[in-house]
Amino acid sequence: EVQLVESGGGLIQPGGSLRLSCVASGFSVSSNYMNWVRQAPGKGLEWVSVIYSGGDTFYSDSVKGRFTISRDNSRNTLYLQMNYLSAEDTAIYYCARESGVNSGFDSWGQGTLVTVSS
Amino acid sequence: SSELTQDPAVSVALGQTVRITCQGDSLRSYYASWYQQKPGQAPVLFIYGKNNRPSGIPDRFSGSRSGNTASLTITGSQAEDEAHYYCNSRDSSGYRVVFGGGTKLTVL
Repeated sequence: EVQLVESGGGLIQPGGSLRLSCVASGFSVSSNYMNWVRQAPGKGLEWVSVIYSGGDTFYSDSVKGRFTISRDNSRNTLYLQMNYLSAEDTAIYYCARESGVNSGFDSWGQGTLVTVSS
Repeated sequence: SSELTQDPAVSVALGQTVRITCQGDSLRSYYASWYQQKPGQAPVLFIYGKNNRPSGIPDRFSGSRSGNTASLTITGSQAEDEAHYYCNSRDSSGYRVVFGGGTKLTVL
């Protein structure tokens, strides 16, 4: 069974850093496109970042230069290192699997809440 | 443009057909995927590619594309279809992803 489980969220002060993890089971993160998507309270979905199976990474303009996506193939885990956090980064962060372009995000984790506040 | 535009809210009478649209230049090159999200839950993929449904998604849901507009059609809406619906696709670069703002569907 395909499963994604995020962790690492919490309350963090503005300017702080946090690392989110997403443990995958039932498939290999290295063989798929792995994404982070966030949702601010009461708002819509916002794509954050992707790491392709070949290792290339891309970011939304809102997080580029502050966030870093990575994966550990041996742990089958996806990460999102978030630096210089601000209140605008407050959201539920989901990891999502994409089997290929035009395949859609077919598996999602339950999300982890990041709250940036003093 | 790297944006996808959706109507914020749509309503449909129980049993009737409704179309939810998603507009954006990148849709001329890439198919949209469609997601259903209910309160407190993670999104669920409902349509991907030209018009494909993952296992378990009812066949009353279908997708289409014309020019720069993708559509999600629900034929014979049910009460349980009341939810937020989001589209996404690759942006014009082909490497990044963009989501539409979402459509809240109300079943009357």
